Amino acid sequence: EAGVAQSPRYKIIEKRQSVAFWCNPISGHATLYWYQQILGQGPKLLIQFQNNGVVDDSQLPKDRFSAERLKGVDSTLKIQPAKLEDSAVYLCASSLSRQGAYEQYFGPGTRLTVT
Amino acid sequence: GQNIDQPTEMTATEGAIVQINCTYQTSGFNGLFWYQQHAGEAPTFLSYNVLDGLEEKGRFSSFLSRSKGYSYLLLKELQMKDSASYLCAVSGDYKLSFGAGTTVTVRA
Repeated sequence: EAGVAQSPRYKIIEKRQSVAFWCNPISGHATLYWYQQILGQGPKLLIQFQNNGVVDDSQLPKDRFSAERLKGVDSTLKIQPAKLEDSAVYLCASSLSRQGAYEQYFGPGTRLTVT
Repeated sequence: GQNIDQPTEMTATEGAIVQINCTYQTSGFNGLFWYQQHAGEAPTFLSYNVLDGLEEKGRFSSFLSRSKGYSYLLLKELQMKDSASYLCAVSGDYKLSFGAGTTVTVRA
């Protein structure tokens, strides 16, 4: 079974530029998550999709971050404009359901450096 | 919301046992997960507890006490490859909240 795919793996941009990340979840997984992991911290949930609908974006900085999951499969996360504090690893994860007992499977992440 | 605490770092010798504690305060509880994360890699699932007690899975065991808001991950017969960050994550309100992680260093 293929895992969660993400691209790019690494990205370096200057502040005020824009960037987009792509995620392809495990086939059949209805729930997709985007996390931000700053060095030395645990992952922080940015947004959660159930199929193609947003169910939780309470921690997404909506003035600069946006995400979509068209057709309930792939998802993109965009930052525009980027700030220095956005430097982090952006992890995408998926699970069969959003019910609490379901394990989340993580992709390899995109390491973003904002200079 | 969730408040999750775990030690920042632990060091142990190859072949030894290490116990990583996690305490949490939560407004809703649907279980507790432990994930392992090697440097530069994605977190991978280790264990899940929703009822009180001990869950054993090979060299790794996880314990939960819901009344105390407490869990631990026990790593036995430590190997060099166990050097990683171990993340405690609480499931509640349909989402996972992660602790900052405990970096375990295994020395020969």
